[in-house]
Amino acid sequence: AQTVTQSQPEMSVQEAETVTLSCTYDTSENNYYLFWYKQPPSRQMILVIRQEAYKQQNATENRFSVNFQKAAKSFSLKISDSQLGDTAMYFCAFTLAPSNQFYFGTGTSLTVIP
Amino acid sequence: GAVVSQHPSRVICKSGTSVKIECRSLDFQATTMFWYRQFPKQSLMLMATSNEGSKATYEQGVEKDKFLINHASLTLSTLTVTSAHPEDSSFYICSAREAQGASYEQYFGPGTRLTVT
Repeated sequence: AQTVTQSQPEMSVQEAETVTLSCTYDTSENNYYLFWYKQPPSRQMILVIRQEAYKQQNATENRFSVNFQKAAKSFSLKISDSQLGDTAMYFCAFTLAPSNQFYFGTGTSLTVIP
Repeated sequence: GAVVSQHPSRVICKSGTSVKIECRSLDFQATTMFWYRQFPKQSLMLMATSNEGSKATYEQGVEKDKFLINHASLTLSTLTVTSAHPEDSSFYICSAREAQGASYEQYFGPGTRLTVT
Protein backbone atom coordinates (compact mmCIF):
# COMPACT_ATOMS: atom_id res chain seq x y z
CA ALA A 1 0.00 0.00 0.00
CA GLN A 2 1.10 3.52 -0.73
CA THR A 3 0.94 6.03 2.11
CA VAL A 4 1.99 9.61 2.77
CA THR A 5 2.48 10.95 6.28
CA GLN A 6 2.66 14.57 7.30
CA SER A 7 3.27 14.59 11.03
CA GLN A 8 2.85 18.33 11.58
CA PRO A 9 -0.84 19.33 11.39
CA GLU A 10 -0.05 22.98 12.10
CA MET A 11 3.04 25.14 11.99
CA SER A 12 3.82 28.82 12.22
CA VAL A 13 6.78 30.91 11.22
CA GLN A 14 7.77 34.54 11.53
CA GLU A 15 7.83 36.52 8.34
CA ALA A 16 11.26 36.37 6.64
CA GLU A 17 12.26 33.29 8.62
CA THR A 18 12.77 29.75 7.32
CA VAL A 19 10.48 26.81 7.98
CA THR A 20 10.65 23.12 7.09
CA LEU A 21 7.60 20.94 6.55
CA SER A 22 8.05 17.20 6.94
CA CYS A 23 6.74 14.42 4.75
CA THR A 24 7.43 10.71 4.69
CA TYR A 25 5.98 8.19 2.31
CA ASP A 26 5.91 4.48 1.84
CA THR A 27 6.06 2.56 -1.39
CA SER A 28 7.81 -0.51 -2.63
CA GLU A 29 8.01 0.90 -6.14
CA ASN A 30 11.09 2.55 -7.53
CA ASN A 31 9.71 4.88 -10.19
CA TYR A 32 7.64 7.69 -8.77
CA TYR A 33 7.24 11.45 -8.58
CA LEU A 34 6.88 13.58 -5.49
CA PHE A 35 5.06 16.88 -5.16
CA TRP A 36 4.29 19.62 -2.73
CA TYR A 37 1.02 21.44 -3.34
CA LYS A 38 -0.15 24.60 -1.63
CA GLN A 39 -3.81 25.31 -0.92
CA PRO A 40 -4.38 28.91 0.19
CA PRO A 41 -7.70 30.13 1.63
CA SER A 42 -9.04 30.38 -1.93
CA ARG A 43 -8.72 26.55 -1.95
CA GLN A 44 -7.06 26.51 -5.37
CA MET A 45 -4.41 23.78 -5.37
CA ILE A 46 -1.10 25.20 -6.59
CA LEU A 47 1.97 23.17 -7.40
CA VAL A 48 4.92 24.36 -5.33
CA ILE A 49 7.63 21.95 -6.34
CA ARG A 50 8.18 18.59 -8.00
CA GLN A 51 10.87 15.92 -7.60
CA GLU A 52 11.53 12.91 -9.75
CA ALA A 53 12.57 9.96 -7.63
CA TYR A 54 15.30 8.95 -10.06
CA LYS A 55 17.03 12.31 -9.62
CA GLN A 56 19.45 12.61 -6.74
CA GLN A 57 19.65 16.38 -6.90
CA ASN A 58 17.13 18.15 -4.70
CA ALA A 59 14.63 20.31 -6.54
CA THR A 60 14.51 24.05 -5.92
CA GLU A 61 12.04 26.72 -7.01
CA ASN A 62 13.05 30.18 -5.86
CA ARG A 63 12.42 30.26 -2.09
CA PHE A 64 11.22 26.67 -2.02
CA SER A 65 13.51 23.67 -1.87
CA VAL A 66 13.22 20.05 -0.90
CA ASN A 67 15.36 17.62 1.00
CA PHE A 68 14.74 14.32 -0.75
CA GLN A 69 16.11 11.28 1.06
CA LYS A 70 15.09 8.30 -1.04
CA ALA A 71 16.42 5.60 1.26
CA ALA A 72 14.62 7.13 4.20
CA LYS A 73 11.54 7.86 2.07
CA SER A 74 11.54 11.41 3.26
CA PHE A 75 10.59 14.51 1.25
CA SER A 76 10.65 17.68 3.33
CA LEU A 77 9.89 21.18 2.05
CA LYS A 78 11.94 24.17 3.10
CA ILE A 79 10.51 27.64 2.68
CA SER A 80 13.05 30.42 2.98
CA ASP A 81 12.31 34.10 3.60
CA SER A 82 8.71 33.26 4.46
CA GLN A 83 6.11 35.70 3.19
CA LEU A 84 2.56 36.37 4.32
CA GLY A 85 1.31 34.90 1.07
CA ASP A 86 2.83 31.57 2.03
CA THR A 87 0.07 31.11 4.61
CA ALA A 88 -1.77 28.04 3.34
CA MET A 89 -2.35 24.35 3.70
CA TYR A 90 0.52 22.34 2.25
CA PHE A 91 0.01 18.84 0.93
CA CYS A 92 2.73 16.35 0.14
CA ALA A 93 1.84 13.88 -2.60
CA PHE A 94 3.35 11.25 -4.81
CA THR A 95 2.35 9.30 -7.86
CA LEU A 96 3.70 6.09 -9.27
CA ALA A 97 4.76 5.98 -12.89
CA PRO A 98 2.92 5.15 -15.10
CA SER A 99 -0.11 5.10 -12.78
CA ASN A 100 -2.36 8.12 -12.65
CA GLN A 101 -3.28 8.03 -9.00
CA PHE A 102 -2.01 10.61 -6.54
CA TYR A 103 -1.49 9.76 -2.90
CA PHE A 104 -1.91 12.77 -0.63
CA GLY A 105 -0.79 13.42 2.91
CA THR A 106 -3.14 14.89 5.48
CA GLY A 107 -1.67 18.34 5.11
CA THR A 108 0.18 20.90 7.21
CA SER A 109 -1.46 24.22 7.93
CA LEU A 110 1.23 26.90 7.80
CA THR A 111 0.70 30.37 9.19
CA VAL A 112 3.20 33.14 8.51
CA ILE A 113 3.16 35.67 11.32
CA PRO A 114 3.89 39.28 10.45
CA GLY B 1 0.73 27.08 -17.82
CA ALA B 2 -1.98 24.44 -17.88
CA VAL B 3 -5.32 25.75 -16.65
CA VAL B 4 -8.31 23.81 -15.42
CA SER B 5 -11.64 25.50 -14.84
CA GLN B 6 -14.65 24.36 -12.89
CA HIS B 7 -18.20 25.56 -13.13
CA PRO B 8 -20.04 26.51 -11.04
CA SER B 9 -17.79 27.70 -8.24
CA ARG B 10 -20.66 27.56 -5.77
CA VAL B 11 -24.04 25.89 -5.97
CA ILE B 12 -26.91 25.54 -3.57
CA CYS B 13 -29.56 22.98 -4.32
CA LYS B 14 -32.53 21.45 -2.56
CA SER B 15 -32.45 17.95 -1.19
CA GLY B 16 -33.54 15.42 -3.81
CA THR B 17 -32.44 17.41 -6.83
CA SER B 18 -29.44 16.77 -9.06
CA VAL B 19 -26.56 19.10 -9.76
CA LYS B 20 -23.91 18.98 -12.48
CA ILE B 21 -20.36 20.23 -12.08
CA GLU B 22 -18.19 20.82 -15.14
CA CYS B 23 -14.42 20.49 -15.30
CA ARG B 24 -12.58 21.78 -18.35
CA SER B 25 -8.94 21.77 -19.37
CA LEU B 26 -8.57 25.10 -21.13
CA ASP B 27 -5.24 24.91 -22.92
CA PHE B 28 -4.36 21.24 -23.05
CA GLN B 29 -5.89 17.87 -23.76
CA ALA B 30 -6.54 15.64 -20.80
CA THR B 31 -7.01 11.95 -21.35
CA THR B 32 -7.48 11.48 -17.63
CA MET B 33 -9.39 13.60 -15.16
CA PHE B 34 -9.87 13.07 -11.47
CA TRP B 35 -12.62 14.03 -9.06
CA TYR B 36 -11.88 14.68 -5.42
CA ARG B 37 -13.95 15.57 -2.42
CA GLN B 38 -12.56 17.65 0.40
CA PHE B 39 -14.04 18.21 3.83
CA PRO B 40 -13.00 21.26 5.87
CA LYS B 41 -9.42 21.10 7.10
CA GLN B 42 -8.93 17.67 5.57
CA SER B 43 -7.03 16.24 2.68
CA LEU B 44 -8.35 15.48 -0.78
CA MET B 45 -10.21 12.22 -1.10
CA LEU B 46 -10.17 10.68 -4.57
CA MET B 47 -13.65 9.78 -5.68
CA ALA B 48 -13.09 8.58 -9.22
CA THR B 49 -10.80 8.61 -12.20
CA SER B 50 -12.28 9.25 -15.61
CA ASN B 51 -10.69 8.50 -18.93
CA GLU B 52 -11.94 10.06 -22.12
CA GLY B 53 -14.38 7.82 -23.91
CA SER B 54 -14.60 5.15 -21.25
CA LYS B 55 -16.36 4.51 -17.96
CA ALA B 56 -15.03 6.09 -14.84
CA THR B 57 -13.25 4.07 -12.19
CA TYR B 58 -14.69 4.72 -8.76
CA GLU B 59 -12.87 4.41 -5.46
CA GLN B 60 -14.13 2.00 -2.89
CA GLY B 61 -17.11 3.37 -1.01
CA VAL B 62 -18.11 5.90 -3.67
CA GLU B 63 -21.57 5.24 -5.10
CA LYS B 64 -21.32 5.25 -8.87
CA ASP B 65 -25.06 5.66 -9.28
CA LYS B 66 -25.05 8.74 -7.10
CA PHE B 67 -21.96 10.41 -8.49
CA LEU B 68 -22.24 10.13 -12.26
CA ILE B 69 -19.09 10.99 -14.16
CA ASN B 70 -18.89 11.58 -17.88
CA HIS B 71 -15.68 12.32 -19.78
CA ALA B 72 -17.01 12.89 -23.26
CA SER B 73 -14.10 14.82 -24.72
CA LEU B 74 -10.42 15.46 -24.12
CA THR B 75 -11.23 18.77 -22.46
CA LEU B 76 -14.42 18.17 -20.51
CA SER B 77 -15.49 15.95 -17.64
CA THR B 78 -18.70 16.33 -15.67
CA LEU B 79 -19.73 15.15 -12.23
CA THR B 80 -23.44 14.88 -11.56
CA VAL B 81 -24.59 14.46 -8.00
CA THR B 82 -27.96 12.77 -8.27
CA SER B 83 -30.69 13.00 -5.65
CA ALA B 84 -28.47 15.16 -3.51
CA HIS B 85 -28.75 15.06 0.27
CA PRO B 86 -27.30 17.38 2.91
CA GLU B 87 -24.48 14.90 3.59
CA ASP B 88 -23.32 15.44 0.00
CA SER B 89 -22.51 19.03 0.88
CA SER B 90 -18.78 19.39 0.38
CA PHE B 91 -16.03 20.94 -1.70
CA TYR B 92 -15.48 19.10 -4.97
CA ILE B 93 -12.22 19.48 -6.87
CA CYS B 94 -11.33 18.16 -10.28
CA SER B 95 -7.88 17.74 -11.74
CA ALA B 96 -6.52 16.78 -15.10
CA ARG B 97 -3.43 15.10 -16.36
CA GLU B 98 -2.01 16.23 -19.67
CA ALA B 99 -2.29 13.64 -22.44
CA GLN B 100 1.28 14.14 -23.55
CA GLY B 101 2.66 15.05 -20.18
CA ALA B 102 5.76 13.32 -18.94
CA SER B 103 5.84 14.78 -15.46
CA TYR B 104 2.75 13.04 -14.12
CA GLU B 105 1.66 16.35 -12.66
CA GLN B 106 -2.02 16.96 -12.06
CA TYR B 107 -3.50 20.38 -12.72
CA PHE B 108 -6.31 21.30 -10.37
CA GLY B 109 -9.48 23.25 -10.89
CA PRO B 110 -10.53 25.94 -8.39
CA GLY B 111 -13.15 23.71 -6.82
CA THR B 112 -16.93 23.78 -6.44
CA ARG B 113 -18.65 24.28 -3.11
CA LEU B 114 -21.89 22.32 -3.03
CA THR B 115 -24.47 23.04 -0.37
CA VAL B 116 -27.56 20.86 -0.19
CA THR B 117 -30.41 22.30 1.84
